[in-house]
Amino acid sequence: AQSVAQPEDQVNVAEGNPLTVKCTYSVSGNPYLFWYVQYPNRGLQFLLKYITGDNLVKGSYGFEAEFNKSQTSFHLKKPSALVSDSALYFCAVFRGYQKVTFGTGTKLQVIP
Amino acid sequence: GAGVSQSPRYKVAKRGQDVALRCDPISGHVSLFWYQQALGQGPEFLTYFQNEAQLDKSGLPSDRFFAERPEGSVSTLKIQRTQQEDSAVYLCASSPLSTGGEETQYFGPGTRLLVL
Repeated sequence: AQSVAQPEDQVNVAEGNPLTVKCTYSVSGNPYLFWYVQYPNRGLQFLLKYITGDNLVKGSYGFEAEFNKSQTSFHLKKPSALVSDSALYFCAVFRGYQKVTFGTGTKLQVIP
Repeated sequence: GAGVSQSPRYKVAKRGQDVALRCDPISGHVSLFWYQQALGQGPEFLTYFQNEAQLDKSGLPSDRFFAERPEGSVSTLKIQRTQQEDSAVYLCASSPLSTGGEETQYFGPGTRLLVL
């Protein structure tokens, strides 16, 4: 069975500092990995995905993520956090339409 | 262009009542998904449509849950005889192609269902 772990329920970072939101996964075969962001009372918004190729993936709003196969991780990063980045972040692994697993989410709080 | 829309945004139902939740996907999107998101949790897969065909309904929690997409566009998720444990946010997502998993899904704002 596949699984996704987001080990931190909440991450606090000062505005302007780099941020990292962690994600590890367990899946047989090659995974398709996604990051989504959820603002209050809104649906999930796509940030970025890894399908194949370069391990460093760049996405929306200055976010990037690094796929590390040996550590089965797909951490989300941003060089300089903004207050407006404060939201709930979900990592997900997809293997075919019926094999979709989301993590439990990490609340990012950027402190002014 | 318009994104995925869902209605109603909020629904309060009495236990035992039937409810119907509507999803309007992005025009032309082939794939449509329903998810259930409990409080403090990530979305959990309920069912998947490719055009009008429901290819997977393995995530539906009971036979009280029923989904349809008769013309391959708008979809309705129906919950019969609602129970308190059905209280959650129901998310709809669509993607442009028949997905092998790599296609990006675009999510609607969700319907928050509260069963009293």
